[in-house]
Amino acid sequence: AQSVTQPDIHITVSEGASLELRCNYSYGATPYLFWYVQSPGQGLQLLLKYFSGDTLVQGIKGFEAEFKRSQSSFNLRKPSVHWSDAAEYFCAVGTGGTDKLIFGTGTRLQVFP
Amino acid sequence: SQTIHQWPATLVQPVGSPLSLECTVEGTSNPNLYWYRQAAGRGLQLLFYSVGIGQISSEVPQNLSASRPQDRQFILSSKKLLLSDSGFYLCAWSVEQAVKNIQYFGAGTRLSVL
Repeated sequence: AQSVTQPDIHITVSEGASLELRCNYSYGATPYLFWYVQSPGQGLQLLLKYFSGDTLVQGIKGFEAEFKRSQSSFNLRKPSVHWSDAAEYFCAVGTGGTDKLIFGTGTRLQVFP
Repeated sequence: SQTIHQWPATLVQPVGSPLSLECTVEGTSNPNLYWYRQAAGRGLQLLFYSVGIGQISSEVPQNLSASRPQDRQFILSSKKLLLSDSGFYLCAWSVEQAVKNIQYFGAGTRLSVL
């Protein structure tokens, strides 16, 4: 069965520092991969997606993610974090057949000034 | 452009009372619709999804039900709420058989059952 693991429940970084949020998935074929961000009390906003092609994908707000098939990973990165990036981040995998997404449990990002 | 609306934003209900949460989508036709629940400190759990009017698939056995009376309307209901129904409920939509699984989310409803 498909699954998504986000091993870091909570990450704290200083403003201006680099960021990497980890995501590992389990799926037999090439998955469709997503990162969403959720600000407190809000819905989810799509940051970026990977369907095929270039394994380094760019998203909104200066985020990027790299698909590594050999490691079954899709880690999210940002070179310099801003205080407004504090939020919860969800990785998700779509299988393309049923149009359903499977979400990880999320990583809460805290940013210190 | 497409928009998704959920209401109410916040709801406090006593145990045993009924529930009705509504979600509507504008600017698209025949969307796939989804209800998720997000419990405190946990990820998103898919509760129901619908590919058309009157077509509902349940992902998890529970105290809740869903209905789709109109193409762009999705309703989450319960006859008698339990304490365990508390959580943050999110509605989402995607374009049928187009842009591969991208789901767009509403702002959510915070439900507290007391």
